[in-house]
Amino acid sequence: DQQVKQNSPSLSVQEGRISILNCDYTNSMFDYFLWYKKYPAEGPTFLISISSIKDKNEDGRFTVFLNKSAKHLSLHIVPSQPGDSAVYFCAASQTGGSQGNLIFGKGTKLSVKP
Amino acid sequence: DAGITQSPRHKVTETGTPVTLRCHQTENHRYMYWYRQDPGHGLRLIHYSYGVKDTDKGEVSDGYSVSRSKTEDFLLTLESATSSQTSVYFCASSGTGVTQPQHFGDGTRLSIL
Repeated sequence: DQQVKQNSPSLSVQEGRISILNCDYTNSMFDYFLWYKKYPAEGPTFLISISSIKDKNEDGRFTVFLNKSAKHLSLHIVPSQPGDSAVYFCAASQTGGSQGNLIFGKGTKLSVKP
Repeated sequence: DAGITQSPRHKVTETGTPVTLRCHQTENHRYMYWYRQDPGHGLRLIHYSYGVKDTDKGEVSDGYSVSRSKTEDFLLTLESATSSQTSVYFCASSGTGVTQPQHFGDGTRLSIL
């Protein structure tokens, strides 16, 4: 059973607009969440993270929101740029468990059109 | 970004042959991981290491073994490769601390015919 779900396989956005990528999780023991970006033929690159003690974390154009009651997080990219076109993975972990045992979603492919 | 290199980057081999993938990191990270990525599955953890000679199983460990004799090197071995192990394999490393992000290599594309 999938513990981390990214229900949208793809998303297309116009340059300059907001991109919103969504992620749901089922395991209430998860307390740390990360977003990774992946370009073709490269490894995933860490983007931003959030602890369950927060509901928002911001880094430049990237903001992650966490809604613990809904077991939902989202990544906002504002403004979107063509270079943001990539696959985005949501990942979750239990900080009280084995370090770094991340559970990944299947990814969402973002296309930002000029 | 963490210096992680994987070798080989591509490999084609036949069913039943042994295969070893190598991961090398230059960040002196304590933790190292092997994942596989398949269509429709995201990344799934195969094995991980929490120190030299200390390893443990991940979600999809059957058919794989690992070894870590030095901090910088983490080897993944398929003792007798099967077609179901055709995949893209990623290595990652992270520092100590449960919120340390993992840094990934660029992957090895393995095809088993």
